[in-house]
This record gives sequence, structure tokens and C-alpha cells, in this order.
Amino acid sequence: AQSVSQHNHHVILSEAASLELGCNYSYGGTVNLFWYVQYPGQHLQLLLKYFSGDPLVKGIKGFEAEFIKSKFSFNLRKPSVQWSDTAEYFCAVKDSGYALNFGKGTSLLVTP
Amino acid sequence: DGGITQSPKYLFRKEGQNVTLSCEQNLNHDAMYWYRQDPGQGLRLIYYSQIVNDFQKGDIAEGYSVSREKKESFPLTVTSAQKNPTAFYLCASSPGQGRGYTFGSGTRLTVV
Repeated sequence: AQSVSQHNHHVILSEAASLELGCNYSYGGTVNLFWYVQYPGQHLQLLLKYFSGDPLVKGIKGFEAEFIKSKFSFNLRKPSVQWSDTAEYFCAVKDSGYALNFGKGTSLLVTP
Repeated sequence: DGGITQSPKYLFRKEGQNVTLSCEQNLNHDAMYWYRQDPGQGLRLIYYSQIVNDFQKGDIAEGYSVSREKKESFPLTVTSAQKNPTAFYLCASSPGQGRGYTFGSGTRLTVV
């Protein structure tokens, strides 16, 4: 079965610091890639997605992600985080199967 | 507005009792999914359904059952056979082909 690895389980950053969250997957075929965010007490929201085309994907709230096929990676980045970015972030991969496979999540805390 | 409704938001049950979690969507999506979210575990797939009257086991189906009698509804029953039922349960839907997943706001089940 497809596996999705998120390298950092807990990240603490100061406001204005840059963010990069790692995501790697195991499937060698065609994939659809997603990053979701879950703010405290709220439901999952889609940050960005990649299906095909330009491997650099821009999402909402200033987030972007780069698909590197040779590295089976889809890392999430933001140049300058804000306190309101405190949340849990999930990478998800859709391979030839019928459902999304999620990583274990990264909890981000942004301190003032 | 279209979306997914999960009810109730919080549910308490005594050990040994079956409990059914509701999931309704008005997005006209063909596919529906149930995930379980535990701290540090990410989201794990319990069951999914691609069309009415058909559903498939996910990665952690033991102790759960589902039905898909209507396109709009995909209830999940947590049976007494589920060893550790206390968790956050998320329902999702998609039009299929791995695109456009929408998540509900979740049901937090506590078994005492």
C-alpha cells in the first residue's frame, strides 16, 4: 500500500520565519498530491493540490508546494509564517486506488 | 450551500454499545469516505464507497460497518468489536477520479 511520510511531527517557529514541511510518498506511478490544513477546532481545508503541469503549485494563504518526481516529494513552503498559521498540516496522496492516503501530520506552532 | 454534514459533533457511548455516525452530502458526489483521526496517526481510511449500494474496506475496517443505500448518505456504525473506538471520525466525499475531496466537520466519539 501507498505510504506517505511527513518528516516533522512538531515544528515551532517564530512569526516571520520561513516554513518548509517535508512530504515523501512511496508510489512510483501517477499521483495526485494534496496538502490540507486543520486549524484548531476546525475541519480539514485544502491548501493546495497538484495533478499535472507546473510542479510548483501555489495555494491559499501564501502557501506553495513543489513536486519533485525524482525524489517522490511534495514539500510545503511559506516564506513568512504568521501566528494564524498555527495548525496541523497533512500531506495526502492519491495513487491508482480510490481514496486519499494521508501522512501522520505536522503540528505547527507559530509564536509571536 | 453544498457541503457535508456530520452529526452529532460530540458523541458519548458506553463500552459494548454500537453507535452510528451520520454523514450526509448534498454535493451530488458519487464517492464517499470515512476516516479516523488519532493524535500522531494522521487520517486512516475505514471504508469508502464509489457508488450507491457498493462499499469497500479501507485500512482499518475491523469493528466498523457502513451502508450506502442513498447517494447522499454514508452512515458509519462503530460496533462493540472495535477495540479502541474513542477517536475523531471524518467523513468525506468526492466526485470521483481523485478530485475535489470535501470533508465534513467531524464527530468526536468517546466511549466510556
